[in-house]
Amino acid sequence: DAEITQSPRHKITETGRQVTLACHQTWNHNNMFWYRQDLGHGLRLIHYSYGVHDTNKGEVSDGYSVSRSNTEDLPLTLESAASSQTSVYFCASSRSQGAYTGELFFGEGSRLTVL
Amino acid sequence: GQQVMQIPQYQHVQEGEDFTTYCNSSTTLSNIQWYKQRPGGHPVFLIQLVKSGEVKKQKRLTFQFGEAKKNSSLHITATQTTDVGTYFCAGPLDRGSTLGRLYFGRGTQLTVWP
Repeated sequence: DAEITQSPRHKITETGRQVTLACHQTWNHNNMFWYRQDLGHGLRLIHYSYGVHDTNKGEVSDGYSVSRSNTEDLPLTLESAASSQTSVYFCASSRSQGAYTGELFFGEGSRLTVL
Repeated sequence: GQQVMQIPQYQHVQEGEDFTTYCNSSTTLSNIQWYKQRPGGHPVFLIQLVKSGEVKKQKRLTFQFGEAKKNSSLHITATQTTDVGTYFCAGPLDRGSTLGRLYFGRGTQLTVWP
């Protein structure tokens, strides 16, 4: 069955370290997204991609970067982790459905703690 | 920019009572989606509404899209403990967007007492 997987599921790191969260989907979806979820803020978009070699900034992109070298993967990198980046990170993918937004398929999330 | 506001933030109900969450946008939405997230889980797609005034039902869940396509609601009849979770609405971030960049409301966290 097609799926979307994130790794690691849990990570503890120190301030200033570089961290990469992996996201891999097997639906062959062109659209991929990274959201962070914090109490009281819901889901906020960090970066997104509409296809290979395409990346775009979301509403909370500072301190994060992504790259899209193939259809299946969209890794999220925190260049220099900060305590404010302690959060649960969700990767999602979707396909376009004609004129309408396709439903998002979410991974199970990666819980990151920055000490 | 366009925002999607959702109320209430929390709702506690006795099992068997009804529950409603409301979603409002500052601008017209081409469509709206609803997601459910169980405690400790990830958001799962429930439904998409596209047409003005549209009403869709899934068993005890009723979804409505306003006539002006600026508001939506999710109503659960006779809640059960399995309904526990956070319900999110989400609308396209860009006017007329077709490419899935969704803005999520902050969600309504539903607790059901047995």
